[in-house]
Amino acid sequence: QQPVQSPQAVILREGEDAVINCSSSKALYSVHWYRQKHGEAPVFLMILLKGGEQKGHEKISASFNEKKQQSSLYLTASQLSYSGTYFCGTEKGGSYIPTFGRGTSLIVHP
Amino acid sequence: DTGVSQDPRHKITKRGQNVTFRCDPISEHNRLYWYRQTLGQGPEFLTYFQNEAQLEKSRLLSDRFSAERPKGSFSTLEIQRTEQGDSAMYLCASSLARGQGDTEAFFGQGTRLTVV
Repeated sequence: QQPVQSPQAVILREGEDAVINCSSSKALYSVHWYRQKHGEAPVFLMILLKGGEQKGHEKISASFNEKKQQSSLYLTASQLSYSGTYFCGTEKGGSYIPTFGRGTSLIVHP
Repeated sequence: DTGVSQDPRHKITKRGQNVTFRCDPISEHNRLYWYRQTLGQGPEFLTYFQNEAQLEKSRLLSDRFSAERPKGSFSTLEIQRTEQGDSAMYLCASSLARGQGDTEAFFGQGTRLTVV
């Protein structure tokens, strides 16, 4: 079942912060985050495994609350290059297949 | 390492024709996925291979779709008797799986199919 992402769209000024949420009705083993720019392939950002681990990637970090079956992606001091559509992919136990949400469009203005 | 490559990048075909797409994964990757993406949507799972074995196929996939991965290397996705609803971006992804949940997938640039 497809995870639900919120919000659908975010518009920011350079330097502002944003949070993108991903939730599932199914028990999850892992959550993956990708960014896709228009006309390009999705690019892997990070994977979070069961265990509530919080990971970071420069100014982009994420958390995974397995009890709530939720993950959040945190973008700090956003840069113009952060613009794109962010997808979460969830993987439930016993599956090896990421199922993606509809995406969150992030636009960063100067 | 040149990443995941897909061919062709664009394909325009008439309704009813057959089309075949190719995906070359990253060489040491043992898992290969096909996804379909339409405008404003996330990638939708089609099928998945571990080495040469096709382990899962989406229930949404009609019998007109078939995929192969001979010798566990490149993969092909064929669509027979194309319909306008097949118009989409077809994405291939590969990963080197070491266990459950370890599916950092690298995507190719995709093949954009337009059925007229």
